Order: sequence, then C-alpha cells, then structure tokens
Amino acid sequence: RKEVEQDPGPFNVPEGATVAFNCTYSNSASQSFFWYRQDCRKEPKLLMSVYSSGNEDGRFTAQLNRASQYISLLIRDSKLSDSATYLCVVNRAGSYQLTFGKGTKLSVIP
Amino acid sequence: SAVISQKPSRDICQRGTSLTIQCQVDSQVTMMFWYRQQPGQSLTLIATANQGSEATYESGFVIDKFPISRPNLTFSTLTVSNMSPEDSSIYLCSVVGLAGVNNEQFFGPGTRLTVL
Repeated sequence: RKEVEQDPGPFNVPEGATVAFNCTYSNSASQSFFWYRQDCRKEPKLLMSVYSSGNEDGRFTAQLNRASQYISLLIRDSKLSDSATYLCVVNRAGSYQLTFGKGTKLSVIP
Repeated sequence: SAVISQKPSRDICQRGTSLTIQCQVDSQVTMMFWYRQQPGQSLTLIATANQGSEATYESGFVIDKFPISRPNLTFSTLTVSNMSPEDSSIYLCSVVGLAGVNNEQFFGPGTRLTVL
C-alpha cells in the first residue's frame, strides 16, 4: 500500500460546483496533515493544514478521520482560478519529513 | 512568509557533468530539505540538509550522487553529480521553522534540470 494515496483525476467541474478530494494514508503514527496546491510548472504552496476537528478557510474545508486514516478537501463555489493539482501531504511520525501523494488534478470549466 | 530563492531556475546540462543548485532563505529556519519532482510525478524527499554536519539521505539517494551542504541557517546547496538523462527533474528546496509557522513547510521555486 502506498504511503499516501489520492485519486489522480482529472476532475473537470463547472464554475460554481462543489468538488471533494479524498486521500488515505498508511502510517497511523502520522501527526500532521496538509493540503498543498501546485500550479503547472510552479512549486507546491500550502493551501491549509488539516486538524483533527476539521477546519475551514473560506470556500475550503478539510476533514481528518484518524480511525480510517482518511483526509478530505471540499471546495465550494469553484472558481476558474482553483484549477490546479491538489497534493495530500502527511508528515512522518516524529519528524518534519513530508510524504506527498501524487496529487489530484482539478480543472474548473467556464 | 519568508522569501526562498533558488539558483539557477533552470539549466540544460550534458551527461557526465555536475550541477550545484543553491537555496537561499531571507530569514533563519530550523530545517531545510531537498526534494525531486520527476516529470508527471509527485515530490520525493532526497535528504535533510543539516547545518554544520552531513545531510541525512533517504533510501535510494546517496551522498556521492547528491552531495549537500548547509553552512548556516539560511543557505544550502545540492549538487547533482555525474548526471544522466534520468536526473532530468525539478529540484526543490523547502524550509521549516519560519517565525510563527513552526511546523509548516514552504518550498522554493524549484530548479528545472534537463540532462541531454
């Protein structure tokens, strides 16, 4: 089983749609979880950290289910500018080293 | 957030040569890492750059191929040695420990390397 698994997509959604990405991780000792966004030919940029209680930042909501080792990202009211690859990222227990999923590609269509 | 810069931003090199990539941060950071992103793939950690001591390499990466320096808390270099076309990739440095954002990791803009 891969350490971090994501559906690669692509997800093609119309503007204004709600879209959800899922991610599973294999190391139950992982303690920190993130969603990064990577635009074409750019470096990954932190979108949001994911907390046990779930957290929201504007149109973005992240959820963590430790029992199922499952992370999700919900994007509401999609904008054209949301088109990017979304990377699920998990730290290694007790360290700052990060393990990246392969990413889910999102295209928001006019 | 801090400014992280990398030099060069891109290069095209001949097989058998070596390239040194620099990563500079405009403030002191706790940790610096080097990642590789091969075409169409996600990021893979190469090593942790330790200040004042030898880097800690991940499985599959060795010091002879990817020597790393970190002379202080704001600067690190990664050398890709004896390059082959399989080394064509984007190389990114990242940092942890910026003031106020303890466990979040930020990335430099990357160095796009093509080996002919």
